[in-house]
Amino acid sequence: KQEVTQIPAALSVPEGENLVLNCSFTDSAIYNLQWFRQDPGKGLTSLLLIQSSQREQTSGRLNASLDKSSGRSTLYIAASQPGDSATYLCAVRSNFNKFYFGSGTKLNVKP
Amino acid sequence: EPEVTQTPSHQVTQMGQEVILRCVPISNHLYFYWYRQILGQKVEFLVSFYNNEISEKSEIFDDQFSVERPDGSNFTLKIRSTKLEDSAMYFCASSESGGGTEAFFGQGTRLTVV
Repeated sequence: KQEVTQIPAALSVPEGENLVLNCSFTDSAIYNLQWFRQDPGKGLTSLLLIQSSQREQTSGRLNASLDKSSGRSTLYIAASQPGDSATYLCAVRSNFNKFYFGSGTKLNVKP
Repeated sequence: EPEVTQTPSHQVTQMGQEVILRCVPISNHLYFYWYRQILGQKVEFLVSFYNNEISEKSEIFDDQFSVERPDGSNFTLKIRSTKLEDSAMYFCASSESGGGTEAFFGQGTRLTVV
């Protein structure tokens, strides 16, 4: 069974800092990996999707990389802002029908 | 931009009552899913649905749960006799196909069983 782990569980940084969130998974036979943002009590907003054949994807200040062979993905956030404060979830699709989620990294960006 | 919509946003129900959670997936999507997140825990898979039948379900999805696509646009999750431990945020998701396609999630329904 796929296990997804996210490190760190929580992160507090001053505004403007560049930061890296980590996601690891145990089964490298995946279809894709998605990064989501979740605000408190809210739904899941898709940030980036990386297909298993891709190495990275970029959207604005966000860059996600994938190293399938080592079972790792990173989400890089450049020039962090207070509005980036949220929980970031990594979800791996290693089954045709479903995602496996990590526990998330709770990010707090201080003004 | 197309989005998955869920209703209600919050539902409070008494233990033993039946609840129906509703979802409108993105219109050209063919695969539909329900996930749930108990407070403080991981988002966990409940069921996937394609071509009017369940394609996969988790151990959580027992006989108390059922899904239906009653009218070609709505996708519902029914819990027949709610328990306290069913209290969670329930997310509906849809995708164009399975496998490598992107999944889009709704804003969730917070179910509180009292």
